[in-house]
Amino acid sequence: DVKVTQSSRYLVKRTGEKVFLECVQDMDHENMFWYRQDPGLGLRLIYFSYDVKMKEKGDIPEGYSVSREKKERFSLILESASTNQTSMYLCATGQGPNSNQPQHFGDGTRLSIL
Amino acid sequence: LAKTTQPISMDSYEGQEVNITCSHNNIATNDYITWYQQFPSQGPRFIIQGYKTKVTNEVASLFIPADRKSSTLSLPRVSLSDTAVYYCLVGDVGYKLSFGAGTTVTVRA
Repeated sequence: DVKVTQSSRYLVKRTGEKVFLECVQDMDHENMFWYRQDPGLGLRLIYFSYDVKMKEKGDIPEGYSVSREKKERFSLILESASTNQTSMYLCATGQGPNSNQPQHFGDGTRLSIL
Repeated sequence: LAKTTQPISMDSYEGQEVNITCSHNNIATNDYITWYQQFPSQGPRFIIQGYKTKVTNEVASLFIPADRKSSTLSLPRVSLSDTAVYYCLVGDVGYKLSFGAGTTVTVRA
């Protein structure tokens, strides 16, 4: 089974802080993704990476950056946290871009910015 | 991703079979049909994927008619722990995913 581990289940930070969310996978998948999930808005893609040191912006990259120094680890960084970044953050991995290669998700980090 | 339509909610009782139908009239020739399950405060979990006819695994079955314009996820003999939101996705799930509202299945004792 694919295992995608997110470093924290719950996190509380203050406005203006720099926040790091970590994700580690154990299946040697090429692709890794960061989403946020908000009620009524579904899942929205923030960034994804298809290789080490490679990254692509998703639909809502503003206020975020990412880092992928090793294949198994993908970090999401909130440069200066704001209250509108309070959300559930989900990391996912996938073998490839094709329709028959589904993504596998971690359990999520519920982040609250005060 | 092709647009999909599925019921907002379904209620069932323990031991019953639950069938969720998803409509996808604009499915493309190369599109697969993929279902995810999500429990509260957890990430979505891939449960089954198919292209045509019938696919079965240890969790569910997926029935796809010949025209592929709809599909039905079948959960046999549900238990309380099957209460979750179920999402139907059609198309390229390798990169951008688009989860709609899904179907909230509530299983009662």
